[in-house]
Amino acid sequence: AQSVAQPEDQVNVAEGNPLTVKCTYSVSGNPYLFWYVQYPNRGLQFLLKYITGDNLVKGSYGFEAEFNKSQTSFHLKKPSALVSDSALYFCAVRDYSGAGSYQLTFGKGTKLSVIP
Amino acid sequence: ETGVTQTPRHLVMGMTNKKSLKCEQHLGHNAMYWYKQSAKKPLELMFVYSLEERVENNSVPSRFSPECPNSSHLFLHLHTLQPEDSALYLCASSHYRDRGSETQYFGPGTRLLVL
Repeated sequence: AQSVAQPEDQVNVAEGNPLTVKCTYSVSGNPYLFWYVQYPNRGLQFLLKYITGDNLVKGSYGFEAEFNKSQTSFHLKKPSALVSDSALYFCAVRDYSGAGSYQLTFGKGTKLSVIP
Repeated sequence: ETGVTQTPRHLVMGMTNKKSLKCEQHLGHNAMYWYKQSAKKPLELMFVYSLEERVENNSVPSRFSPECPNSSHLFLHLHTLQPEDSALYLCASSHYRDRGSETQYFGPGTRLLVL
């Protein structure tokens, strides 16, 4: 079974400050990890993903995420937050154990508010 | 968001109505998905179609009936819905490869209200 947890329902950060949105996961095999962002009344937009290789993944809009296998975490980060980053952020995981399942398990989401 | 389009964007229906949601992808993908997004709940995968065949059906009530006539189009037929079915219904698409690393791209969703 696979699962993902986003421990914070909401994160508030001042504009220009670094931001972190936390994500931890649980899988039995190798994890494929994704971050998506959702703006009001919109669908989910892909930000970045970790498949293999370098633990630091760079994505869209200046976001990056660090894969930490020992802590089973995949936190989303940005060095300097913008007001326009305010949105709902989802972490997702797929456990590739060879079964070929398409199931992508999402966290409940974290609402990020960047304060001017 | 022009890669995956969904119509209608908003839908209000009574419990005895029959309606259909439409999804179209312009990305050359051959796998398509229906998700349900309810307030304060994680996204729920409803159906997956790969190469126009249904490959997953996550215990969805029979009042939801998917149809995938080709790799670019996906429908969700709705009948005798319940108020608790009110939600945002999201369509997504991806390439089909049996590896699990494929990125899913989402449409803007259909906001459904069942009265």
